[in-house]
Amino acid sequence: QVQLQESGPGLVKPSETLSLTCAVAGYSISDGYCWGWIRQPPGKGLEWIGSFYHSKSTYYNPSLKSRIAISVDTSKNQFSLKLSSVTAADTAVYYCARQSFVWGTYRPLQFEFWGQGTLVTVSS
Amino acid sequence: EIVLTQSPGTLSLSPGERATLSCRASQSVSSSYLAWYQQKPGQAPRLLIYGASSRATDIPDRFSGSGSGTDFTLTISRLEPEDFAVYYCHQYGSSPCTFGHGTKVEVK
Repeated sequence: QVQLQESGPGLVKPSETLSLTCAVAGYSISDGYCWGWIRQPPGKGLEWIGSFYHSKSTYYNPSLKSRIAISVDTSKNQFSLKLSSVTAADTAVYYCARQSFVWGTYRPLQFEFWGQGTLVTVSS
Repeated sequence: EIVLTQSPGTLSLSPGERATLSCRASQSVSSSYLAWYQQKPGQAPRLLIYGASSRATDIPDRFSGSGSGTDFTLTISRLEPEDFAVYYCHQYGSSPCTFGHGTKVEVK
């Protein structure tokens, strides 16, 4: 069974960079599947941030694209999210997840396995 | 981007009753690339349905999905106590993928 665990600071100051890591157990990122980040402001709905298929493609939400970067460390079997120039509007629970994908195009599909989520608050 | 509108916002039902949740897309969802998730307080969403009508692994058969194009439905045939939660639809046929704002199924 695939397990994902988010980690990172719970409090970030406005204008700084939010950095989170997702550790994956039970499956090797380099073996396939898409992997993504989703966030959920307190009491609100879900917003996709970005996804990737290792060594093939990376997809970012256009609304966040100028501020986000997703990277992978296959030696540690983990991937990371950096979100720059944060404001209070970036306060949310951040989830990482594994996605199914389209064979051949490596395009991400539904989110199959989710981490438990980590709350990040942006405040001075 | 495709906007998903879920209705109703809240559904008040009793255990044993049938629940019908709607998700309407602002444009046609290609290849019926639509999923449904269940979320309970303090938990991550759980995948229930993908491809509009395929049940995910270990999901009970009281959950079913249907629809195509712009209109999709999640049906829970007989509500169990553990089914009271918030349900989200998610389209991944067009980028960016988007989510509906959710339907809360609460105990009447």
